[in-house]
Order: sequence, then structure tokens, then C-alpha cells
Amino acid sequence: DTEVTQTPKHLVMGMTNKKSLKCEQHMGHRAMYWYKQKAKKPPELMFVYSYEKLSINESVPSRFSPECPNSSLLNLHLHALQPEDSALYLCASSRSPGTGGDTIYFGEGSWLTVV
Amino acid sequence: KNQVEQSPQSLIILEGKNCTLQCNYTVSPFSNLRWYKQDTGRGPVSLTIMTFSENTKSNGRYTATLDADTKQSSLHITASQLSDSASYICVVSPRTGTASKLTFGTGTRLQVTL
Repeated sequence: DTEVTQTPKHLVMGMTNKKSLKCEQHMGHRAMYWYKQKAKKPPELMFVYSYEKLSINESVPSRFSPECPNSSLLNLHLHALQPEDSALYLCASSRSPGTGGDTIYFGEGSWLTVV
Repeated sequence: KNQVEQSPQSLIILEGKNCTLQCNYTVSPFSNLRWYKQDTGRGPVSLTIMTFSENTKSNGRYTATLDADTKQSSLHITASQLSDSASYICVVSPRTGTASKLTFGTGTRLQVTL
């Protein structure tokens, strides 16, 4: 099983809503990532979790709040978002956060539209 | 500043033809280079990963080459199919740091037509 599963695939939310994106992998990977991707742009790193602890926050606004309940799950909690936050949010995982040569597996992404 | 530049920005080819996509990078020191295929609206899928000591790697009809001296890589697609229509992203990882310190290229958008 080499899958990273993301839910929901599509999400439309108002600027005052609270919602969450979910990500799951069962490959035993100890590094998990959130990326944001705008149309026709490369993915931009948001957060890195290493052994279930937040290791990197790329200066992401606090309206995005990550959570790693266990080694297989990664959530991204959303609150008071802006329309410019509309994008494809990608979850990814790799075997180890400390090895630059690992393959990074991406999920299918969650399309977020903020209205 | 670490940069990855890809060319061409977009490409249209006929089904069955071959094509080559280019990637130039300035990441140093360099650890490995990856090529990903990304269908519109979906997550990237890994095609190849090469370390600085490898010159070529194949995955079916996809063949990636790497010249670490000139800091160039290419992805050659043989006998293209309609399903090859996608964006192809070159991603470079530095020798130090973690798998998170990746530099993404802006991608080449390939369209295969009848």
C-alpha cells in the first residue's frame, strides 16, 4: 500500500467557518507534510511533522492549524480563512524526515474554495 | 538562492511521438533529483529519483538523465500516449537537511493530441 489518502476531495467554506482537512497513510512513514498549491504553480511547503511532532512551520498564518494525532494521521484545521487561501492542499509523507533521498508520496489533494 | 528552472513551459505533441523535457538547477550541495507527474487537480506522482552519482534512470516509457557537473537533467518520454498529458515537475533536494528542503520547478505542461 503506497497511498496517502486525503479527505475531503473538495471543500467550500465561508470565511467564518471552521473546517478540517484530513490525511492518512499506512506505510509506516514518520514524516508527514502539508503543501499548498495554487493553479499553475509548484507546491509550497507549509508544515512538516517528524515523528508526530511539528518540526517545520514555514511562517504559515495561524488561521491554519496542523495536528498529528498519531503516526498515521495528519489534520489541517481551518478557521477564518480568506478567499486567497483557496487552493489545492496536498498532504505527503516519507519514510524518514532526516533522509533527503526518500521518495515523497503525495495524496490526491483537497480542493479548498473560500467564499 | 536554490532554484530549479524547467523548459519548455508547455509543449504539445502528437500521440506516439517522443519528447524531452529539461531541468536546470542551482541547488548546491546536491543530493538527489526527482521527476513527478501531476495530472490537473491531482497530487504529484513520483516517476524517478536519482542521486548525484547516477546518470540515468528509467521507469517504463520515462527515462531521466542527470549531469551533476552541468546541473542539468532531462526527462525523455517515448511513444507518448494521451494519458501522458500532465504537468511534469522537477524537484531537487540538497545534500544537507531533510526531505522537506525540496526546491520545486514550475513544471512543464505537456499535452498529447491525436
